[in-house]
Amino acid sequence: AQSVTQLGSHVSVSEGALVLLRCNYSSSVPPYLFWYVQYPNQGLQLLLKYTSAATLVKGINGFEAEFKKSETSFHLTKPSAHMSDAAEYFCAVSVYYNQGGKLIFGQGTELSVKP
Amino acid sequence: DGGITQSPKYLFRKEGQNVTLSCEQNLNHDAMYWYRQDPGQGLRLIYYSQIVNDFQKGDIAEGYSVSREKKESFPLTVTSAQKNPTAFYLCASSIADKPFYEQYFGPGTRLTVT
Repeated sequence: AQSVTQLGSHVSVSEGALVLLRCNYSSSVPPYLFWYVQYPNQGLQLLLKYTSAATLVKGINGFEAEFKKSETSFHLTKPSAHMSDAAEYFCAVSVYYNQGGKLIFGQGTELSVKP
Repeated sequence: DGGITQSPKYLFRKEGQNVTLSCEQNLNHDAMYWYRQDPGQGLRLIYYSQIVNDFQKGDIAEGYSVSREKKESFPLTVTSAQKNPTAFYLCASSIADKPFYEQYFGPGTRLTVT
């Protein structure tokens, strides 16, 4: 069965420091992978997605993620954290299901940015 | 501006009452979804619809019902049979129900039942 594991429910970094949010997936077929961001009391916004083209995917707000098949990972990074990056981040894997697709979410990682 | 609207933002109900959450999209998307979000549990799929007049149960459909009479609308009813209805509810849509299409999310409705 497909699943997503986000390591660390809470990550804290200083402003200007590297952001690294970890995501590992389990899938028996080549997956489609997504990172979403959620600000408090708001919906989810797509940061980036992997659909089997380039393994290094660039997204919005300076984020990027690298698909590593051998490690079944899709970690999210940003070279320099900004206060506005404080939010909850969700990794998700999408698979074929019932002639359609199904998005399976990780439990989320809350990112705090210290001044 | 294209997007998804959910109303109301906050909703309060007494236990035993049914309540309907609205979701409208003007993105011309075929597929629509309802998720429930609880703290520390990520998002769980309640119902989804691949096309008008058709919908399927997700992982946690018990105590919920939906309809899809129009392409742009996918209302969710939380019935009195739902044992723990207090949660944040998110509606989403996609061009089509295929795994390589991203889902676009509405702003959510926070339901509190007392």
